[in-house]
Amino acid sequence: DAGVTQSPTHLIKTRGQQVTLRCSPKSGHDTVSWYQQALGQGPQFIFQYYEEEERQRGNFPDRFSGHQFPNYSSELNVNALLLGDSALYLCASSLVAGQRLNSPLHFGNGTRLTVT
Amino acid sequence: RKEVEQDPGPFNVPEGATVAFNCTYSNSASQSFFWYRQDCRKEPKLLMSVYSSGNEDGRFTAQLNRASQYISLLIRDSKLSDSATYLCVVNRRSGGSNYKLTFGKGTLLTVNP
Repeated sequence: DAGVTQSPTHLIKTRGQQVTLRCSPKSGHDTVSWYQQALGQGPQFIFQYYEEEERQRGNFPDRFSGHQFPNYSSELNVNALLLGDSALYLCASSLVAGQRLNSPLHFGNGTRLTVT
Repeated sequence: RKEVEQDPGPFNVPEGATVAFNCTYSNSASQSFFWYRQDCRKEPKLLMSVYSSGNEDGRFTAQLNRASQYISLLIRDSKLSDSATYLCVVNRRSGGSNYKLTFGKGTLLTVNP
């Protein structure tokens, strides 16, 4: 039973560039959430996808966008990269129904993005 | 005020010590609570859920006080392998049928030999 997988594991980009990160949820999960974790901070919620639609969003600018595919996998896109976008980007999957219960998130290993 | 606030840490304790982490949350509509553990440069992993009646899992005990909006985690007989960052996590309804998990900043624990 595959857990949450993310790719790539590491990425180095230059300011102003665009980046796409990918996530495959745990088998059987239908909801994908993305988090940004800066060094020394807790994960900050970016957005959540369910049924191929963005369902809720955190306090992130429109430069951050995403997509969910029919197979529940998801992409996170960041345009016009800034130095401050350097962080660990975590994908977490869950069952939408589980959110109403005491159901935890399952995280992938993350993608470490460095913007120079 | 941040939605979830934790002890700033870091905590440095000897093996065998008992250590307690505290967390407060600001939204009284919060419905479920968790402690996650995050090892250095790794993803967060669920340590335990926190129930209203309090719950224990081996050396770990979690407590919830809804009236005070306070959550705690107690680790007894600390092991070197307990060294990690401990994240307090709160789940609440954020509109319609959506729920949102909010993470605290985390508290770093180092257990020394």
